[in-house]
Amino acid sequence: GEDVEQSLFLSVREGDSSVINCTYTDSSSTYLYWYKQEPGAGLQLLTYIFSNMDMKQDQRLTVLLNKKDKHLSLRIADTQTGDSAIYFCAARAIYNQGGKLIFGQGTELSVKP
Amino acid sequence: ETGVTQTPRHLVMGMTNKKSLKCEQHLGHNAMYWYKQSAKKPLELMFVYSLEERVENNSVPSRFSPECPNSSHLFLHLHTLQPEDSALYLCASSQGGGLAGANVLTFGAGSRLTVL
Repeated sequence: GEDVEQSLFLSVREGDSSVINCTYTDSSSTYLYWYKQEPGAGLQLLTYIFSNMDMKQDQRLTVLLNKKDKHLSLRIADTQTGDSAIYFCAARAIYNQGGKLIFGQGTELSVKP
Repeated sequence: ETGVTQTPRHLVMGMTNKKSLKCEQHLGHNAMYWYKQSAKKPLELMFVYSLEERVENNSVPSRFSPECPNSSHLFLHLHTLQPEDSALYLCASSQGGGLAGANVLTFGAGSRLTVL
């Protein structure tokens, strides 16, 4: 089945760019997602990308998808202390595993002033 | 406020207790989900209900029993739990739940369960 992997921690300085990486195993994944979880809260959708796209940009967020390497990244420009949270990558393969979302273990982003 | 409300936010129970977690969504969605979140592990999908019918049950122990009386409400009934069941239990909903489209999930804030 699908396996989604992320590194567990990332630390950056305020104002720098953050890049959070994710790899997945199922090449038939059609939708890939980034969710953010702040302390004491549930997961909040940040953005998602359809597999026929290479890039999607939304204000400070840029998602890059490399289908050949099955690699997804989330770049946060001008990172702020309010961006400190856990970021989850998820993949959805419509024709495998009933189309359910498979999540990674989350990357904890720490932004230092 | 995401439109998905979970109660209670925190629950401490002994291994012999029976309790329930409740989830309510005000988004008009037709699919609801229970996930288990343990530290540094991927989210584990437990149950999926689509149009009030259970469509997914991921080998979850029988001490967890879901109930979906209508498309807006979802319960997780708990009995004779083990300490390793301590986790954050997240409810989510979506419109569609089927194979087409992005099937974006909207999550509640979670119920933090501690089993003593």
